[in-house]
This record gives sequence, structure tokens and C-alpha cells, in this order.
Amino acid sequence: KAGVTQTPRYLIKTRGQQVTLSCSPISGHRSVSWYQQTPGQGLQFLFEYFSETQRNKGNFPGRFSGRQFSNSRSEMNVSTLELGDSALYLCASSEGGSSNQPQHFGDGTRLSIL
Amino acid sequence: AQSVTQPDIHITVSEGASLELRCNYSYGATPYLFWYVQSPGQGLQLLLKYFSGDTLVQGIKGFEAEFKRSQSSFNLRKPSVHWSDAAEYFCAVGGGGSYIPTFGRGTSLIVHP
Repeated sequence: KAGVTQTPRYLIKTRGQQVTLSCSPISGHRSVSWYQQTPGQGLQFLFEYFSETQRNKGNFPGRFSGRQFSNSRSEMNVSTLELGDSALYLCASSEGGSSNQPQHFGDGTRLSIL
Repeated sequence: AQSVTQPDIHITVSEGASLELRCNYSYGATPYLFWYVQSPGQGLQLLLKYFSGDTLVQGIKGFEAEFKRSQSSFNLRKPSVHWSDAAEYFCAVGGGGSYIPTFGRGTSLIVHP
């Protein structure tokens, strides 16, 4: 099976712009989670989708949003970008979306804000 | 709610030396425990997982971890570290009604030649 695919791998934006990141989960996986990773804050949970519904949300402002399509592919959007949004954004998928199942991660999208 | 603590932010070892990375969890029932590794510029890769049964779990890349309920710990070990093991290591705990595991802050492993 192909792994989790995230596109693009690298992205450079300026403050105030918006950005959309894409994640294709492993075939058959219905849960997709998003994480922000920075050197100072570590790995922080953004949100989780299962069967097109957001089930879990982390403590991030409303500028961060996401959605999941019927084929389980997911996108996350960040509007009005700030310098502090520079980070590695990781997507992970799992089969049934239960915490007793391991998550499978993509290689991430490196977002840099100028 | 479950939580995970990785007490060591950085660990430095010499190549060929043994390694133990600490992980302590908080969870009322029997937890589901995971260790992941993240190499620079990549996502997290699952090293091993514990669900039940034998408390000593073998993983990939020569790693093992031991579940100790009395100490609420799930420490990761490797008898002889290679330079390619330099990476970030994450412990995670799942279980109960939560949808996704909870991750620790990570431990950065530095390997000296």
C-alpha cells in the first residue's frame, strides 16, 4: 500500500496570505489527523476527521480549519498567515480512528512565512 | 484523560553504547502504548506498540520497550546505538474513548562517534 502523501512538501508564503495543504491517507484509512510541529512547542494536535466529520479539535485559533472528502482525502487551510505559523505540518491516518490504533504519518509540509 | 511525559529533552550517547529513553504515562486502565521515531525532514515512523500480553515488546531497527504497570512506564531500549539512530523519539498513549493517541514532547537523541 502507498503511504500517507502530503503535498506540497515545501511552501513559502507571506504574512496575511492563506494556504491550503493536502493529505492523502493510506487506502482504507478513514481517520485523518493534522499536527503542527515547531522546535519550541513540539508536536501539537490541530484536528481529526473521520468519515468527513471533525471529531476532535486542538487548541488553535479559527484561522486553522480543515475538511475531509468522501474519499478520505483531507485538506487543511490557514488564513491570514502569521510569522508564528511557520512550522512542519504533519498529517496522519489510521484505519478506524480509535486511539488504540497506530497512526501512520506523512513526511509533512514545511511552511515558511516571510 | 491520558497523558505522556518524556522527562528527557535531549539524550547524548556514544556510538555502540546502550540506550534507554524514558516514557511515563497517566491512564486509569490498561493503556495502548507506542514509540515513534522521526528522522530529520521526515514524518514519524512507528517503532513498536504494546497492547497486551508480553510486557517486553520488540520493534523495528533493533529497538525494544518494556511495559511496567507498577511504574506507569514504557521505556525504549537499544543495546548498541548506531549513528543513524540520531533522531527525535516520541512516546504515545491511547485507550478509552479517545479517538487518537496522546503524544509526548519527544526526546532528541544525539549520537557521538
